Amino acid sequence: AQKVTQAQTEISVVEKEDVTLDCVYETRDTTYYLFWYKQPPSGELVFLIRRNSFDEQNEISGRYSWNFQKSTSSFNFTITASQVVDSAVYFCALRVDSGSARQLTFGSGTQLTVLP
Amino acid sequence: ETGVTQSPTHLIKTRGQQVTLRCSSQSGHNTVSWYQQALGQGPQFIFQYYREEENGRGNFPPRFSGLQFPNYSSELNVNALELDDSALYLCASTSGSGMGAFFGQGTRLTVV
Repeated sequence: AQKVTQAQTEISVVEKEDVTLDCVYETRDTTYYLFWYKQPPSGELVFLIRRNSFDEQNEISGRYSWNFQKSTSSFNFTITASQVVDSAVYFCALRVDSGSARQLTFGSGTQLTVLP
Repeated sequence: ETGVTQSPTHLIKTRGQQVTLRCSSQSGHNTVSWYQQALGQGPQFIFQYYREEENGRGNFPPRFSGLQFPNYSSELNVNALELDDSALYLCASTSGSGMGAFFGQGTRLTVV
């Protein structure tokens, strides 16, 4: 069975601060995919990034960066110079393709509040 | 916008009633999944449809059922509604390559 843990329930920062959201996952599959989604108050889940299990190269995209470490089963997400518009719930998710369905297993989410 | 649209956006039903939620997938996406998101929790997988066949199901009872149509749009049906069915129901579509699931804005269902 798959499991995703986001230990941080809520984080509050002041605008322009950097913030890192933690994600730890569990799976016995050797091939899997990790995702980050953002959910603003409107409810729609916005896809941010996908990483597969054999690509540990970390990435920076604008103010966003991701740190994937298989050794610690972690897939952390950092926002640099946070802005008020970054306020949302952020979900980490895991997908394995060993079954027929490509289902996502989500963590419980981290509520990020960026204060002006 | 992702191109995945859901209707209705909000719905209030009475316990014991039946409800149908609808989803139009993103153009070119042949796989549709449904998720239930209770307040303050992450989405939970209900089931997935690929080319009009259910090809995976989460831990939900049979009163949760679905359909996928030839144009890849989909319906989620819930019979004998219970108060705990109150949640945001999200539809996600995926292409065959599986590059990230794209979600609709959801249907907020309230059972009273």
